[in-house]
Amino acid sequence: EAQVTQNPRYLITVTGKKLTVTCSQNMNHEYMSWYRQDPGLGLRQIYYSMNVEVTDKGDVPEGYKVSRKEKRNFPLILESPSPNQTSLYFCASSSRHPYNEQFFGPGTRLTVL
Amino acid sequence: ELKVEQNPLFLSMQEGKNYTIYCNYSTTSDRLYWYRQDPGKSLESLFVLLSNGAVKQEGRLMASLDTKARLSTLHITAAVHDLSATYFCAVAFGNDMRFGAGTRLTVKP
Repeated sequence: EAQVTQNPRYLITVTGKKLTVTCSQNMNHEYMSWYRQDPGLGLRQIYYSMNVEVTDKGDVPEGYKVSRKEKRNFPLILESPSPNQTSLYFCASSSRHPYNEQFFGPGTRLTVL
Repeated sequence: ELKVEQNPLFLSMQEGKNYTIYCNYSTTSDRLYWYRQDPGKSLESLFVLLSNGAVKQEGRLMASLDTKARLSTLHITAAVHDLSATYFCAVAFGNDMRFGAGTRLTVKP
């Protein structure tokens, strides 16, 4: 089954404790992206990756890091989480040509205390 | 500044009625997407609009794109309860993707 998976689905942590949210897709998609969803703000893009070893900042990259060492994986790293990073996070992937729609993961609800 | 604005943000409709959701964006783009999100769920792709004048229809939903006016519409025909969800438009500006704030649609009997 074609899918995007994220882990964990729910996470409660404390300020300053480094964490990683994993994202994996099995569709051989080139493009992968991370978003955060906050009430009234829609989805805001954090980082995206056009392909392996190619990443770029989105709209709200501060406080986040990503890496793309393999085509299927695109982890999101919070080196020192803060309460304002409490949010619902989605990973998505798409084939770049011809600009197909994105397939979204199930979401990770993160709470930073 | 790259901005995407949706109107309305909240929409309560009666079953059987028609309505339109609007998506305006600030800078030239020829790639626009519509997604649906059910409560507590992820996003699901509805339409991909890639050129001026593009029109796509699926069931009771029809989406169109006017790149000159920087406007897309999502038209709902004869709404049914199953269409209750939040609808997002998303616009690609180069490799950046910007989403509207979403329109929460409630269809009442």
